Amino acid sequence: DTAVSQTPKYLVTQMGNDKSIKCEQNLGHDTMYWYKQDSKKFLKIMFSYNNKELIINETVPNRFSPKSPDKAHLNLHINSLELGDSAVYFCASSQDDWNTQYFGPGTRLTVL
Amino acid sequence: AQKVTQAQTEISVVEKEDVTLDCVYETRDTTYYLFWYKQPPSGELVFLIRRNSFDEQNEISGRYSWNFQKSTSSFNFTITASQVVDSAVYFCALSGQGGSYIPTFGRGTSLIVHP
Repeated sequence: DTAVSQTPKYLVTQMGNDKSIKCEQNLGHDTMYWYKQDSKKFLKIMFSYNNKELIINETVPNRFSPKSPDKAHLNLHINSLELGDSAVYFCASSQDDWNTQYFGPGTRLTVL
Repeated sequence: AQKVTQAQTEISVVEKEDVTLDCVYETRDTTYYLFWYKQPPSGELVFLIRRNSFDEQNEISGRYSWNFQKSTSSFNFTITASQVVDSAVYFCALSGQGGSYIPTFGRGTSLIVHP
């Protein structure tokens, strides 16, 4: 059973489109995160949700909007995609915000 | 502000060599947590270890060992008798109480183990 799952694994789209990435965790964790990993492997946190409430919102364009329908899901919606959005996006979860994070397999987004 | 520095961008070794990956951190918190993650070529991020700031005991897990030294703000990772399967990017990370536990990752060290 996959602890943290993301769909899709690959996403290729045109500039200007709107797309979503879904994340689900079956670990019963209270906190979920979205990270962006650029082409140089730099990992940067984008958002964190605790019990469906946003607790971290790093400096990301407001074209990115996280949505948490319930504690087990944290989806990432991106409007008006730009070339610079091409990256691997990782979802993660942890029991508490200071605890070990468990990562999903990543979604490779390519914007053409 | 907290910061994690992994000065080694890439390390190349031959199988069976021992290798140490350095991690130096900065934080003003007294309570914080340090992590190591592995990212193999397949791309997933795998948790390896978590240490809290009050536990300076070294840890050994098979061929892996970690040396946490608060005096030098370092949390180094050693692989003994490296194997080709150890080839990956390794990330050190820090989360601290004062920063609301927003995790900060180092830039990663790419380890290449040649047969």
